[in-house]
Amino acid sequence: DGGITQSPKYLFRKEGQNVTLSCEQNLNHDAMYWYRQDPGQGLRLIYYSQIVNDFQKGDIAEGYSVSREKKESFPLTVTSAQKNPTAFYLCASKRNEKLFFGSGTQLSVL
Amino acid sequence: AQSVTQPDIHITVSEGASLELRCNYSYGATPYLFWYVQSPGQGLQLLLKYFSGDTLVQGIKGFEAEFKRSQSSFNLRKPSVHWSDAAEYFCAVAFADNDMRFGAGTRLTVKP
Repeated sequence: DGGITQSPKYLFRKEGQNVTLSCEQNLNHDAMYWYRQDPGQGLRLIYYSQIVNDFQKGDIAEGYSVSREKKESFPLTVTSAQKNPTAFYLCASKRNEKLFFGSGTQLSVL
Repeated sequence: AQSVTQPDIHITVSEGASLELRCNYSYGATPYLFWYVQSPGQGLQLLLKYFSGDTLVQGIKGFEAEFKRSQSSFNLRKPSVHWSDAAEYFCAVAFADNDMRFGAGTRLTVKP
């Protein structure tokens, strides 16, 4: 089955800790995205990548980092600099202007 | 700067009434435009999209949207709302270089 896999489904972060959210796709898509969803704020773009070894900041990149070493993988690290990380995180890939979403990761702070 | 605005946070309509959800964008060219719907606890579903050509586009579930270049708008409409349409609706815009952004969303409540 082709698709986008996000893991874990739920993640807890302690103060001062970095955590990494996984996003893997087997759709052979070049473009991949990370969005953060908060109630009343819609989906806000954190980072996106057009191709391997390339990525651009979105509207709310501060406190986050990404890498794109392989086409299939676009992990997101929430660093300790992100002071309000509790949110639902969605990964997506795009082909022919159609977005394919993962099932999301809910990140909470302990 | 590139941006997407949905001016209405929450809209309530009666079942059977017409619906219009607003979306405006800021961009120097014509982007690709989309409307998505998200029901509670569900993922996002694409309702319709506009790339070029006819400015009135038809989508699924009886929705349509009209692109107005002069107003930088892409409003979503439905002639008669059903209770099952209650959900959150997101306008999305694909700018150049694969930059794809969403509006803040409009939550639709349908009164019986």
